[in-house]
Amino acid sequence: AQKVTQAQTEISVVEKEDVTLDCVYETRDTTYYLFWYKQPPSGELVFLIRRNSFDEQNEISGRYSWNFQKSTSSFNFTITASQVVDSAVYFCAHLSGGYNKLIFGAGTRLAVHP
Amino acid sequence: DGGITQSPKYLFRKEGQNVTLSCEQNLNHDAMYWYRQDPGQGLRLIYYSQIVNDFQKGDIAEGYSVSREKKESFPLTVTSAQKNPTAFYLCASSVSRARRTEAFFGQGTRLTVV
Repeated sequence: AQKVTQAQTEISVVEKEDVTLDCVYETRDTTYYLFWYKQPPSGELVFLIRRNSFDEQNEISGRYSWNFQKSTSSFNFTITASQVVDSAVYFCAHLSGGYNKLIFGAGTRLAVHP
Repeated sequence: DGGITQSPKYLFRKEGQNVTLSCEQNLNHDAMYWYRQDPGQGLRLIYYSQIVNDFQKGDIAEGYSVSREKKESFPLTVTSAQKNPTAFYLCASSVSRARRTEAFFGQGTRLTVV
């Protein structure tokens, strides 16, 4: 069965620090998809990135970067020079290639202090 | 603007009552989902639907029911059989089962039993 583990429950940093959110997944699928979502205090989940299992290239988008390593089943998310507006709960999720069942990790609450 | 609309934002239910949460999307997406969020537990899948007039149970379907009579609408009924319904409920949609795209979320309904 698919499973997503986000071991960090809460992280607290000071503004401008870099922070990495860990995500480890378990799957028997050879084709699968991984996602990161941000949940601000308003509650709505905001899509950040999708990664296919056959594409291990890392990706950078502004202050955000993602490190996908199939060898360790990890899909970690780094925020460089964090800002107060980055404070939110971040979820990692897995989608099986077989059917559209999106499984989420428990989430990591990030607090960025001025 | 295209998006997913959930209503109401806040809902109070008395013990023994059934309540229905609304979810409407104008994105022309085939797939729709209902998730429940409890503190510290991430998102858990209640029901999902790939096409009109078809839906499948997720991981915690007991005490809930859904219908998918129209492509745009996927209402969730929380029945009196649900023992602990107080939670944050999120509706989502994605393009289709065939295309493994990201899911887009509504702003959620917070249900409280009084």
